[in-house]
Amino acid sequence: NAGVTQTPKFQVLKTGQSMTLQCAQDMNHNSMYWYRQDPGMGLRLIYYSASEGTTDKGEVPNGYNVSRLNKREFSLRLESAAPSQTSVYFCASSIRTGLVNYGYTFGSGTRLTVV
Amino acid sequence: DAKTTQPPSMDCAEGRAANLPCNHSTISGNEYVYWYRQIHSQGPQYIIHGLKNNETNEMASLIITEDRKSSTLILPHATLRDTAVYYCIVRPTAQGGSEKLVFGKGTKLTVNP
Repeated sequence: NAGVTQTPKFQVLKTGQSMTLQCAQDMNHNSMYWYRQDPGMGLRLIYYSASEGTTDKGEVPNGYNVSRLNKREFSLRLESAAPSQTSVYFCASSIRTGLVNYGYTFGSGTRLTVV
Repeated sequence: DAKTTQPPSMDCAEGRAANLPCNHSTISGNEYVYWYRQIHSQGPQYIIHGLKNNETNEMASLIITEDRKSSTLILPHATLRDTAVYYCIVRPTAQGGSEKLVFGKGTKLTVNP
């Protein structure tokens, strides 16, 4: 099925461990994003990639790195996990047509707990 | 990006129309209004967007005031599955503007049987 696929769906890390969250889309979208959502809060943008080969910081980039591996894949890395990074992480993609960036498509999320 | 103001929560009876307001009094001429919703534990889902004309699709209708300072999302016949948090977002057109969507806290809509 077309859409945004995130792996893993659940993960528990110990403080200081590292991991990479994977995201892939098969809709030929040019832009991709990583958001985090803490309980009872809205989504906050971590990093985004407007097109293949470019990445930019969002609202809350500290403690994260990203890689736009190719047009399909955009990964998020936590180098040294901290309890404050316990959250649900959503990947999204979108496509621009002319002046309008049409609706984002979101993945189903990765639920990360850092103990 | 322009900021939006939404009521934190609303209730609606099943089968009735749900009208969700959004205030965006500082919206600029090149900014679109987008609506998304997030059903519990799922990723947000795109609903509709518009610039200045009213818009309708299979999910909802979007009514934007003539001065563009506010809008209303209308779910014409709400069902229990429409219970979700609804986000109103304004952002510039892609050319010359950022690609980012900035989410606020949205409106928690509860559809009651």
